Amino acid sequence: QQQVKQSPQSLIVQKGGIPIINCAYENTAFDYFPWYQQFPGKGPALLIAIRPDVSEKKEGRFTISFNKSAKQFSLHIMDSQPGDSATYFCAAASSYKLIFGSGTRLLVRP
Amino acid sequence: DAMVIQNPRYQVTQFGKPVTLSCSQTLNHNVMYWYQQKSSQAPKLLFHYYDKDFNNEADTPDNFQSRRPNTSFCFLDIRSPGLGDAAMYLCATSRDPGGWDGYTFGSGTRLTVV
Repeated sequence: QQQVKQSPQSLIVQKGGIPIINCAYENTAFDYFPWYQQFPGKGPALLIAIRPDVSEKKEGRFTISFNKSAKQFSLHIMDSQPGDSATYFCAAASSYKLIFGSGTRLLVRP
Repeated sequence: DAMVIQNPRYQVTQFGKPVTLSCSQTLNHNVMYWYQQKSSQAPKLLFHYYDKDFNNEADTPDNFQSRRPNTSFCFLDIRSPGLGDAAMYLCATSRDPGGWDGYTFGSGTRLTVV
């Protein structure tokens, strides 16, 4: 119940494409859903986050779509750039604990 | 401007030789967390301190210990490192438990066990 399932494991898109990464959860106690971006050799950095009372949030080229009834959420990257190549983790949080998905390695080709 | 600083960036230790990893923060956050991230896996919470209160995750091996002598510093001690403990160790902080908007990770310490 504490798991967050993330797919795909890896993703390759051309520059300008719109990669989509999906996550699903079981525990309805989760009340905060962030996405983290991690470059090699660095710690994860918060990219964008959503709470379950909204269905969509946009920040720049990054959009989270949230489906509370299906217990699913996804990250869309508009007009992707080679600099977006990184590993992306979804996560779900309740009280003090942040549970991470297994990560998606994104490669954006020039 | 570095706010959560981990030292060293890379640490090589011998099998069975105790090792200590360090984390410091300039954010004055109340909570400090330690995560273990193995290659191509998600970070896994080992334990956290809320002020001076230590909270261990149920599945964290006894081989892992932590100390928080003051608000700014937190240490991860591995008493007898095994080959399976080779990983990136990440420190994170938040103002309060559940203070997710301010949740900040350090750059990590990559531990190699030889």
